[in-house]
Order: sequence, then structure tokens, then C-alpha cells
Amino acid sequence: AQTVTQSQPEMSVQEAETVTLSCTYDTSESDYYLFWYKQPPSRQMILVIRQEAYKQQNATENRFSVNFQKAAKSFSLKISDSQLGDAAMYFCAYRSAFLGGSEKLVFGKGTKLTVNP
Amino acid sequence: KAGVTQTPRYLIKTRGQQVTLSCSPISGHRSVSWYQQTPGQGLQFLFEYFSETQRNKGNFPGRFSGRQFSNSRSEMNVSTLELGDSALYLCASSLGGTAFYNEQFFGPGTRLTVL
Repeated sequence: AQTVTQSQPEMSVQEAETVTLSCTYDTSESDYYLFWYKQPPSRQMILVIRQEAYKQQNATENRFSVNFQKAAKSFSLKISDSQLGDAAMYFCAYRSAFLGGSEKLVFGKGTKLTVNP
Repeated sequence: KAGVTQTPRYLIKTRGQQVTLSCSPISGHRSVSWYQQTPGQGLQFLFEYFSETQRNKGNFPGRFSGRQFSNSRSEMNVSTLELGDSALYLCASSLGGTAFYNEQFFGPGTRLTVL
């Protein structure tokens, strides 16, 4: 079974600075997706960024980028130029890439990010 | 395009009762997944439906059940409620069943409190 571990229950960052959230995972599969989801206090979970395991290039979405280390099974999220609106719970998640199969997500326990003005 | 909707948003029940939660996916989406979110256990997968068929099931007791209708709307039912069932129940929908990656979109959740 796959597992996802987020070792930082809480993190804080000053507005406009950069913060990195850590995630490690365990799987025996060779093809899969990794995600970072954001859950603001209003509770609606939204997708921040996605990484396909077969791609060596790290995914980037505006101020959000990942450092994907497949051999180390590590998947960290870097938020640049942090904004007050980035304050939220961030969840790392894993999904098998078997096409047409289950879309079950395996989540880490989350990291609560506080952005200080 | 309307997002994923879940009803009710809040629910208070007592131990031993049963409850039904509803999820309406984004129009055109045929896959619906359910997750339970608690402070202690985090987000745990309950089940997944695609075209009215259960495609996957998490490790929950038989008191937890679900179904999907022909219009892709899904319901989950919890019978004989226990205090530990208090949680935020999230539903996610996607197109499902294609040869390509499908993004899952989450609803706002139903907050269930069991007294």
C-alpha cells in the first residue's frame, strides 16, 4: 500500500518570502501522480500543482514549484513571494497512474501554513 | 459551470442514528469519490463510483455505504452512528474513465457531528 508522509505539521513564512513544504511517499509502482492540494479555512480543497512520475522536469505553476526526487521518493513544494492568501492547510497526495483505473488519492496528514504580514 | 455541491453542509445526529449525505458532481463528470477528514486520521478514502458502479472501496466498516445514480449524483450512508464518525465528509468528482489524466474537483464538504 502507498503511504504519504508530511513531517511538518506547521510552518510559517513572512509575506513576500519563500517557503518549502516537505513530503515523502512510499510506493512500489513506477508510474503515478503526485499532487499538492490547498485547503483554506473555508474548507474547499483545490489543486495547486501536479507532477507525473515519468516526467523528470519539475512542475511549476506561477509562484508554486516542486522538487521531485523520484529515487528518494521526495516531493517538496516551494511557494515563492508568499501572499496572505496562501495561508491554508497543504496536503501532499499520491495517485496511481493506471489509466482508466481508480482515481483514489492517498493523502499526507497536511502542513498548516501561516503567512505573517 | 457549477462546482461540486454537497448537501447538507452541516448535520448533527445522535449515536445510533443513520445519516445520508449527498454529492452532486460537476455536469458531465461520471466519477465520484468520497473522503472522510478528521483531525486525528486526516483524509481517508471511503469509496469511489464510476457510472453507477463502485470502482474502489477504502478500509471502513460496513456501516458506511454509498451509491451512484444514473445522473452521476452520489449518496453515502452511515448507519448506527458512532461518536468517531464525527468528521468532514468530502466528495470529489472527475470526468473519469478516459485514457487521460482527469483532475478531481472537491466539494465544500458536509460537517457531521455525532452527539
